[in-house]
Amino acid sequence: GEDVEQSLFLSVREGDSSVINCTYTDSSSTYLYWYKQEPGAGLQLLTYIFSNMDMKQDQRLTVLLNKKDKHLSLRIADTQTGDSAIYFCAETNTGFQKLVFGTGTRLLVSP
Amino acid sequence: EAQVTQNPRYLITVTGKKLTVTCSQNMNHEYMSWYRQDPGLGLRQIYYSMNVEVTDKGDVPEGYKVSRKEKRNFPLILESPSPNQTSLYFCASSLAQGSEQYFGPGTRLTVT
Repeated sequence: GEDVEQSLFLSVREGDSSVINCTYTDSSSTYLYWYKQEPGAGLQLLTYIFSNMDMKQDQRLTVLLNKKDKHLSLRIADTQTGDSAIYFCAETNTGFQKLVFGTGTRLLVSP
Repeated sequence: EAQVTQNPRYLITVTGKKLTVTCSQNMNHEYMSWYRQDPGLGLRQIYYSMNVEVTDKGDVPEGYKVSRKEKRNFPLILESPSPNQTSLYFCASSLAQGSEQYFGPGTRLTVT
């Protein structure tokens, strides 16, 4: 079945860039998403990319997709302490039957 | 305010005592879904519903039931909870399958 993997933890200093990586196995993935979960809260959609795109930029966020390697990354420029959260990547296939989530990466930003 | 609400937010119960976690959305969304979140496993889909009276199993449906009698509500029912159902549960809704999902605040369930 589909599988989405992420590293569990990332620690950066305020002002640095953060890069969160994700790999997936489903070659029919159509949309790939990044969600943010702050402590005690639900998931909030940050951004998404369609599978025929290589890159998408949205203010401080840059999403890179390498479809050949099935690798997705989220770069956060000028990381702030308010960016500390768990970040999930997720993918859905052409049928949009379900979202498959990764395990989540906990980002810790220190001052 | 557009939102997904869940109740209760926290629940401690005992093995075998039936419980229901409610989920309601006020955005007239067709698609609703339940997930459980466990450390190291991310979110896994339990059940989903594409519209009223249409429900289907997700990846981990065992031990759960759902119903969709009205568009706005999608309750999750645990007929006989067991300790392995201790988890953080999220309800989500979207306008249609594949569109952005809006998540509720979560329900932390502990089964002793």
